Amino acid sequence: QQQVKQSPQSLIVQKGGISIINCAYENTAFDYFPWYQQFPGKGPALLIAIRPDVSEKKEGRFTISFNKSAKQFSLHIMDSQPGDSATYFCAASMGYSGYSTLTFGKGTMLLVSP
Amino acid sequence: EAGVTQSPTHLIKTRGQQATLRCSPISGHTSVYWYQQALGLGLQFLLWYDEGEERNRGNFPPRFSGRQFPNYSSELNVNALELEDSALYLCASSLNTGGTSEAFFGQGTRLTVV
Repeated sequence: QQQVKQSPQSLIVQKGGISIINCAYENTAFDYFPWYQQFPGKGPALLIAIRPDVSEKKEGRFTISFNKSAKQFSLHIMDSQPGDSATYFCAASMGYSGYSTLTFGKGTMLLVSP
Repeated sequence: EAGVTQSPTHLIKTRGQQATLRCSPISGHTSVYWYQQALGLGLQFLLWYDEGEERNRGNFPPRFSGRQFPNYSSELNVNALELEDSALYLCASSLNTGGTSEAFFGQGTRLTVV
């Protein structure tokens, strides 16, 4: 079954701290792993994405770490800011195989306290 | 450039009625996806349309259906509404370039079934 398990469900981090959200998947055919950020009242927006042929990708304060053998990937938000408070979703698809549908985790509600 | 637009923003229906939700993709995007975001369940894939054809559907009953028009806009129909259909329905669009192009989401239609 195509499933992506995300943890934790919610997370409170102090301003300036590191936020870490973890995801695990089962389908080894997945080859595209994006993270989406969703603010209340808005649709999700792509934050950063990675392919399984690299172990890490960094864009500004956001880093994806990928462990292919463990079938796990995580999002690290460095120097977390109150403006980062949002719900984060990991996702996976067989995008490079032409199968576009994204399978999402259940989301993590992040609150960055001032 | 206009993003993905969805209408209506809010919709209240009575159990047993039908609901019609509409989506206009970003200009040039041929793929449209529908997702259901119910509280605590993350984003559940509903339907994927590309070039007017249904490419895939998620694990939802047949009373969830839709179509894509020649201008690539799309419609989601939910028949015989049930209370548990209450959710945020999100539409996303992407270029169909092998499945790794970014999926852009609209702000959603909040459907409430009473």
